[in-house]
Formats: sequence, C-alpha cells, structure tokens
Amino acid sequence: AQKITQTQPGMFVQEKEAVTLDCTYDTSDPSYGLFWYKQPSSGEMIFLIYQGSYDQQNATEGRYSLNFQKARKSANLVISASQLGDSAMYFCAMREDRNTGFQKLVFGTGTRLLVSP
Amino acid sequence: DTGVSQDPRHKITKRGQNVTFRCDPISEHNRLYWYRQTLGQGPEFLTYFQNEAQLEKSRLLSDRFSAERPKGSFSTLEIQRTEQGDSAMYLCASSSTGSGNSPLHFGNGTRLTVT
Repeated sequence: AQKITQTQPGMFVQEKEAVTLDCTYDTSDPSYGLFWYKQPSSGEMIFLIYQGSYDQQNATEGRYSLNFQKARKSANLVISASQLGDSAMYFCAMREDRNTGFQKLVFGTGTRLLVSP
Repeated sequence: DTGVSQDPRHKITKRGQNVTFRCDPISEHNRLYWYRQTLGQGPEFLTYFQNEAQLEKSRLLSDRFSAERPKGSFSTLEIQRTEQGDSAMYLCASSSTGSGNSPLHFGNGTRLTVT
C-alpha cells in the first residue's frame, strides 16, 4: 500500500529565508505522481507543485521547488525567500498511476509552517 | 474561473440526524471528488465522479454515506444517522480531463460537528 510520511509536525522560519519541508513515500508502483498542497487557516487546499516519477528534472514553480530523490523515495518541498503569507499547513500527497487521470491521492499528516518577521 | 464552492461552510447536528452537503465544481471540470479530513490528519479520499457516473468509492464510505452528481454538474454528499465519528471537514475538489497530473482544485470545505 502506498504511504506518505511527513516527520516534521511544525517548522519555523524567518521571513526571506529558505525552508525545506520533508516528505518520504512508499509505493510498489514504478509510475506515480507526487504533489504538494498548502492549506491556510481558511481550509482550502491550494495546489503548489507536481513531480512525476519519470521526470528527469526537479519541478519548480516560482518560489517552490521539489527536491526529488527517487532512490531515497523522498520529495522534499523547498520554499525560497519565505513570506509571512506562507504560514500554513503543507501536505505532501501521492497518486499511483494505475489510476492515471483520476486523482485518488494519499496525503501525509502535514507540516505546519510558521514564518516570523 | 470562480473556484469550487461548498455549502454550508459549517454544520452542527445532533447524533442520529441526516445531513446533506453541496459542492459546485469549476464549471468546465468533469471530474469531481470528495475527501474527508479529520483533525491533525491529511485528507482521505471518499469518492470520485466522472460526469454523472460515480466510478470509485472508498471503503471509508459506509452505507450511511451516499453521494450523487445527477446532471454531471453539482454534487451532494448525504450522511444518514450521523455519528460522532463523522465529525470532520468534508472537502470537495474538481479537475479537468487530461493527464494524471491535472491538479485538484479544492473548495473551502464543510466542517461537520456531530454532538
């Protein structure tokens, strides 16, 4: 069974600094997708970044980048130049590609990020 | 793109009562999902619709739960004979047809409290 592990319940970072949120995964499927979502206190889940298991390069989206280490089964999110508005819960999620096109995601337990001035 | 809309935002009900939640997806999205999120956990998949067809249901979805998407547009999730364990945030999401990495667009959720 697929599983996502986020070992950091909470992280603190100062504004303008970079922060790495850890995510490890377990799957027997050779083809899968990895996602990061942000959940502010309002409750809405906001898509940040996607990495496919066969993608050769690490995904980047603005200040977000995904440090994908396939052999270690890790998909850490790096946020550069943190902003106060980045304070939120961050969830790592995985989709096994036997469900291609169908987003049955398995989520981790999340990491709460607090950005201080 | 007006986003995914869910109603109500909050629902407090007594154990044993029935509740119904509504989700309006992004208009051009034909795929709709329901997830449930309990305190301190990530969302868990409940069910999936492609147009009006319900194609997948989680084992989490007991017989007391029923979801519909009658015309392939909005969806409802009904919980009958609510139990305290049903207290959670119910999240609706939609996505477009396409590659498997089409991201889910989530609504703000309906927070259910069963007393």
